Amino acid sequence: KAGVTQTPRYLIKTRGQQVTLSCSPISGHRSVSWYQQTPGQGLQFLFEYFSETQRNKGNFPGRFSGRQFSNSRSEMNVSTLELGDSALYLCASSSLDRGLYEQYFGPGTRLTVT
Amino acid sequence: GEDVEQSLFLSVREGDSSVINCTYTDSSSTYLYWYKQEPGAGLQLLTYIFSNMDMKQDQRLTVLLNKKDKHLSLRIADTQTGDSAIYFCAESIYGNNRLAFGKGNQVVVIP
Repeated sequence: KAGVTQTPRYLIKTRGQQVTLSCSPISGHRSVSWYQQTPGQGLQFLFEYFSETQRNKGNFPGRFSGRQFSNSRSEMNVSTLELGDSALYLCASSSLDRGLYEQYFGPGTRLTVT
Repeated sequence: GEDVEQSLFLSVREGDSSVINCTYTDSSSTYLYWYKQEPGAGLQLLTYIFSNMDMKQDQRLTVLLNKKDKHLSLRIADTQTGDSAIYFCAESIYGNNRLAFGKGNQVVVIP
């Protein structure tokens, strides 16, 4: 099976702009989660989508949003970018088996805000 | 809520064993995971253990769980240069897909 893919891999934006990142999960996986990784804060959970519904949400401002399509592909959007949004954004897909989520991560999108 | 702590840096000689430690705070039924991140890459799931287990072995990897102290360790036997990476432990509550990560341990393998 193909792994989790994320596009684009690298992105440079300026403050105030908005950005959309895309994630295609492993075939058959219906859950997609997003994480932000920064040197200072480490890995932080953004949100999770399952069957086109947001099921979990982390502690991020409303500028961070996401959605999931019927084919399980997911996008996340960040509006009004700030310098502090510079980070590696990781997407993970998973299927549920007996309460266990084996989450498989994509390579990430490196966002730089200038 | 979940809170996961890890120490930061470990240097080990090729062929030796390396041990990475982690503590977690949530007392609910949890899954505990170990992920590996190489430079410029995403996270690779190495192994996981459920909180009702004490040990899990998977080839060169051994996970030990001390439930009383909420202490998790990952032992890598016969460490190779390809094991140089950052290792993250993570915790999720049973049935919840949200992972809480530690800060990561950087492991450097010296040839």
